[in-house]
Amino acid sequence: ETGVTQTPRHLVMGMTNKKSLKCEQHLGHNAMYWYKQSAKKPLELMFVYSLEERVENNSVPSRFSPECPNSSHLFLHLHTLQPEDSALYLCASSEDLIPRETQYFGPGTRLLVL
Amino acid sequence: KNEVEQSPQNLTAQEGEFITINCSYSVGISALHWLQQHPGGGIVSLFMLSSGKKKHGRLIATINIQEKHSSLHITASHPRDSAVYICAVSQGGSEKLVFGKGTKLTVNP
Repeated sequence: ETGVTQTPRHLVMGMTNKKSLKCEQHLGHNAMYWYKQSAKKPLELMFVYSLEERVENNSVPSRFSPECPNSSHLFLHLHTLQPEDSALYLCASSEDLIPRETQYFGPGTRLLVL
Repeated sequence: KNEVEQSPQNLTAQEGEFITINCSYSVGISALHWLQQHPGGGIVSLFMLSSGKKKHGRLIATINIQEKHSSLHITASHPRDSAVYICAVSQGGSEKLVFGKGTKLTVNP
């Protein structure tokens, strides 16, 4: 248990659906991250939030829309996804946005787009 | 070519064996991380180091900044060590982590 929770753990959706992934951290951290992990590829950073402000958008398609209402919660809103978006989506947090901070990861949401 | 390369990609060992996983990187870094990912996806941070060596239980991580190389060693391996081990680096002053593809370790009883 890392102090970072994600829901749902598994999600199957059609290409026309709209769904949201939720991440919550109970560590009092100021920075939160969304990562995508596709099969046989390294983790890819998608978004970075620091103190509820987005500081990084790593060329992610607009069908992925992040939201950070407060420093404990991070959402990833999904709409009109493609089958190639099927992957494990991982949330992480760190105390601050400093390069040498340890990131704590959630268990991930395994997404299948049909 | 990925900026972070790990070897081997897959490793099978017998319980009790000494295991080494290697990581090489091609960029300037401020820190290197070793992560463990169990089946099901959850990732745990094992080590963060910028020089020398760190030890935690049966795990040892070393880094050679001049050679841009790090190793993760597991002594007296156990089936519960079976997981994917991921090397990641923090580049310069950036908060980004750049990840290797991971090494899948299977320890048989």
